[in-house]
Amino acid sequence: AQSVTQLGSHVSVSEGALVLLRCNYSSSVPPYLFWYVQYPNQGLQLLLKYTSAATLVKGINGFEAEFKKSETSFHLTKPSAHMSDAAEYFCAVSVRTDKLIFGTGTRLQVFP
Amino acid sequence: EPEVTQTPSHQVTQMGQEVILRCVPISNHLYFYWYRQILGQKVEFLVSFYNNEISEKSEIFDDQFSVERPDGSNFTLKIRSTKLEDSAMYFCASVGQGQQPQHFGDGTRLSIL
Repeated sequence: AQSVTQLGSHVSVSEGALVLLRCNYSSSVPPYLFWYVQYPNQGLQLLLKYTSAATLVKGINGFEAEFKKSETSFHLTKPSAHMSDAAEYFCAVSVRTDKLIFGTGTRLQVFP
Repeated sequence: EPEVTQTPSHQVTQMGQEVILRCVPISNHLYFYWYRQILGQKVEFLVSFYNNEISEKSEIFDDQFSVERPDGSNFTLKIRSTKLEDSAMYFCASVGQGQQPQHFGDGTRLSIL
């Protein structure tokens, strides 16, 4: 079985500061890992994915994440936050075409 | 880029009524999913569908729920007798052959009165 834990339901940063959103996973088989972003009253947009290729994954809007098997982590980072990054971020785990298991989400606030 | 489309965007229904949520997955995709998100909570898996049958369902997906692919393009979620706690955002998703990630529609907000 798979599971995902997102540490920190709320993260606040200043514009221009580093963004770090944490995600730890559990999986009995090699996982696929994803970060999705949800803007208010909108659907889920894929930010990036790890599917067993390169461990450092680059996504849209300047985000990237690193798969660390030894730490069972897949943290999301962005070097410099922008006001438009304010949203809810969900980490998710899957195996092949199986269902996605989502974390509880992290709300990112960006202050000017 | 191809998209998953969901209709309606917002559905308001009286408790006890039947509701059908519609989805048009990406045309060459083979695996289909429904998820729901109660306001302020995480996204939860409901059901997956492949080769014209349910491949997995969660404990949320009880006898009140059903899914159907009535033709080559639509994928529907039916709730037979809605309850207040069915109020949520419902998302449809699809995947091609062995090709994660899942592509999501914009969701249907279901409000039960």
